Amino acid sequence: RKEVEQDPGPFNVPEGATVAFNCTYSNSASQSFFWYRQDCRKEPKLLMSVYSSGNEDGRFTAQLNRASQYISLLIRDSKLSDSATYLCVVNPRSSGAGSYQLTFGKGTKLSVIP
Amino acid sequence: DAGVTQSPTHLIKTRGQQVTLRCSPKSGHDTVSWYQQALGQGPQFIFQYYEEEERQRGNFPDRFSGHQFPNYSSELNVNALLLGDSALYLCASSASSGSTDTQYFGPGTRLTVL
Repeated sequence: RKEVEQDPGPFNVPEGATVAFNCTYSNSASQSFFWYRQDCRKEPKLLMSVYSSGNEDGRFTAQLNRASQYISLLIRDSKLSDSATYLCVVNPRSSGAGSYQLTFGKGTKLSVIP
Repeated sequence: DAGVTQSPTHLIKTRGQQVTLRCSPKSGHDTVSWYQQALGQGPQFIFQYYEEEERQRGNFPDRFSGHQFPNYSSELNVNALLLGDSALYLCASSASSGSTDTQYFGPGTRLTVL
């Protein structure tokens, strides 16, 4: 089983649609979770951290289910500028203890169509 | 506030050659991690440097080595290049202190091995 698995995609959605990405991780000791966004031929950029209580940033909502080892990202009212690859990322180290390796999923490509 | 910088941006080498890639971390960061991203894949952790020492290493052969300097900048060296080493090499920096373990990525060096 891969350490971090994501929906294979690609997702092609019209502007204004709501789209959800799912991710599972295998290391139950993992402590930190993130969604990164990567534009074509660019570096990954942090979109948001993911907390057990769930967190929201504008049109983006992230959820974590530790019991199921499952992470999700919901994008509401999709914009053309949301087109990118979304990477699910897990860090087994606890926050404050220093960040070690990040484990990335393969990413899910989103294309928002006019 | 300068972000993470990497050089060169692109590089073309032939099989068997050696290459050195460079990274300067974000201001205030003391930890540097290196990742390899092959086409269509998520980044894979190579190693992390802290206090001028390799703190953790991923599943990469000894042909991959690194160094961190007193000013926290870092180099990645790859010897005896193989065609399969063609990839985007990403440097990420983070701070060992503080409450966050977020890693910030540089723009990457795109290495092509012919």
